[in-house]
Amino acid sequence: QVQLVQSGAEVKKPGASVKVSCKASGYSFSTYAMHWVRQAPGQRLEWMGWIHVGNGNTKYSQKFQGRVTITRDTSASTAYMELISLRSEDTAVYYCVSYKALAAWGQGTLVTVSS
Amino acid sequence: QAVVTQEPSLTVSPGGTVTLTCASSTGAVTGGQYPYWFQQKPGQAPKTLIYDTNKKHSWTPARFSGSLLGGKAALTLSGAQPEDEAEYHCFLSYNGGGQVFGGGTKLTVL
Repeated sequence: QVQLVQSGAEVKKPGASVKVSCKASGYSFSTYAMHWVRQAPGQRLEWMGWIHVGNGNTKYSQKFQGRVTITRDTSASTAYMELISLRSEDTAVYYCVSYKALAAWGQGTLVTVSS
Repeated sequence: QAVVTQEPSLTVSPGGTVTLTCASSTGAVTGGQYPYWFQQKPGQAPKTLIYDTNKKHSWTPARFSGSLLGGKAALTLSGAQPEDEAEYHCFLSYNGGGQVFGGGTKLTVL
């Protein structure tokens, strides 16, 4: 079945960077865009950006422009989201989302930023 | 960046009907913004219910429907069930490829 499996929880210090992976299975990875979304505790969902998996083109939210990079490895059916210059406000659950009409969500990766 | 606004909370009686709305700070929501609706229960990842304004996934219960109503995207729940108690998020696309979530509506079935 269609599945997105994300890497495990991370604890980072302010100023560090984090890279979250998302492995797709059960469908043609290159056919659908991969989005990244995050949700801070008690906050709304935030769209961070997406990658056209087929050609690697990306589009980022203005809020995260310059701090986020989304990449993919088609040979491994895996997408990545790297966020740099972490601050406490980046503490959140990060999700990858893809497949037809955003039907598939990863299980979420908790990133905690704390000194 | 556009701001997308939803009702913070709504309550519906079991078996009742409720409409959640999704407004854009840039003006009327159109079909070209491909409105999505997601359902999220505590501790779980969101689940996509509605896409492209009114299309349903195979798992979307028939009691949910999407539409455009008075310049907003709308999600109508007809015949609410206790298991429909959740947070509902709308999601809109904007020119240039940017996308924005609404603030979410906490729906109580009581």
